Amino acid sequence: DAMVIQNPRYQVTQFGKPVTLSCSQTLNHNVMYWYQQKSSQAPKLLFHYYDKDFNNEADTPDNFQSRRPNTSFCFLDIRSPGLGDAAMYLCATSTGNTEAFFGQGTRLTVV
Amino acid sequence: QKEVEQNSGPLSVPEGAIASLNCTYSDRGSQSFFWYRQYSGKSPELIMFIYSNGDKEDGRFTAQLNKASQYVSLLIRDSQPSDSATYLCAVTPDDYKLSFGAGTTVTVRA
Repeated sequence: DAMVIQNPRYQVTQFGKPVTLSCSQTLNHNVMYWYQQKSSQAPKLLFHYYDKDFNNEADTPDNFQSRRPNTSFCFLDIRSPGLGDAAMYLCATSTGNTEAFFGQGTRLTVV
Repeated sequence: QKEVEQNSGPLSVPEGAIASLNCTYSDRGSQSFFWYRQYSGKSPELIMFIYSNGDKEDGRFTAQLNKASQYVSLLIRDSQPSDSATYLCAVTPDDYKLSFGAGTTVTVRA
């Protein structure tokens, strides 16, 4: 059974049109992560939460926002997607200093 | 300085050989170290974790950690074509943050 679920798997959005990606988990983990991964590059950490404690990476653009309304769900909002935001977005969860479990990712295309 | 650096690839090895992957990290306070495998278009999947200095073996995989040198490595013995993938080193420097290296792409030649 999938433990970290991302929806949708594929998302096509128009340039400048807000888009929201979602992630849910059944593991009851305290930590949730959002990564952006472009082709042939490492996953780049955008944000992470420890419970409701939000941590924003210094180089995450303001165009990216996140919400975690409860333990199980986390959302990534891209307010005005540009062509450079096309990537795979990965959600992951962890108890802390242990392994992270990844969802299957959402492939975002900006047209 | 990048938080996590990996030896540049790609790395090509013949079937049955040993593939050796290296990783260094900058934060001396890092506590947890992971190796993930990622196939093209897929999510990373954990293959090894190590928390203490020394070696840890799991099947054909061995992770080695040297905190004094801020170095962690992964050996893949008896490499198989199915091992062809990108291998990502990941480290938890602080505050539950999980940082990845750029990855090393391994190709196992049949």
